[in-house]
Amino acid sequence: AQTVTQSQPEMSVQEAETVTLSCTYDTSESDYYLFWYKQPPSRQMILVIRQEAYKQQNATENRFSVNFQKAAKSFSLKISDSQLGDAAMYFCAYFSGTYKYIFGTGTRLKVLA
Amino acid sequence: EAQVTQNPRYLITVTGKKLTVTCSQNMNHEYMSWYRQDPGLGLRQIYYSMNVEVTDKGDVPEGYKVSRKEKRNFPLILESPSPNQTSLYFCASSPMLTNPYEQYFGPGTRLTVT
Repeated sequence: AQTVTQSQPEMSVQEAETVTLSCTYDTSESDYYLFWYKQPPSRQMILVIRQEAYKQQNATENRFSVNFQKAAKSFSLKISDSQLGDAAMYFCAYFSGTYKYIFGTGTRLKVLA
Repeated sequence: EAQVTQNPRYLITVTGKKLTVTCSQNMNHEYMSWYRQDPGLGLRQIYYSMNVEVTDKGDVPEGYKVSRKEKRNFPLILESPSPNQTSLYFCASSPMLTNPYEQYFGPGTRLTVT
């Protein structure tokens, strides 16, 4: 069965600095999707970035980028120039041909002014 | 406005009293899903549906039922709620062709079972 692991329950970063959130997953499939979702205090779940496993190029969305290492089954999220509004829970998620979503347990990011 | 709506947003009920949480999307998405979120456990998928009349179990389906009679609606039914079903519930939908499986989430339903 597929699993997603976020080993950092909580992280802190100074405003304007860069932080990397870790995510590893386990699967025997070759084709799948990976996502990072943000959950601010409002509880709304917001898609941050997605990566298709067949694409070697790492996805980027403005200040957010990923480091996708398929062989190592690693999918980390880098947030550059951190802002106070980035403070939230971040969830890594996996989706494949089984049509099931698997989420990690989340990393709470604090941004220090 | 493209959105996923859930009702009610908050619900306090008693053990054994049947309840339904509604979910509706206006984006013509094929895929819909229900999750529960508990502290330290992240989001866990309860049920999902790939289209009308096609539903399947997620990782934690016990104690829940769903139906998909129309493409836009995907209600979650708790026939006999128990205190261990106290949780934050999210409905989500996603397309299967364009930007596949990027989920759009509802605002969440906070359920308390006493």
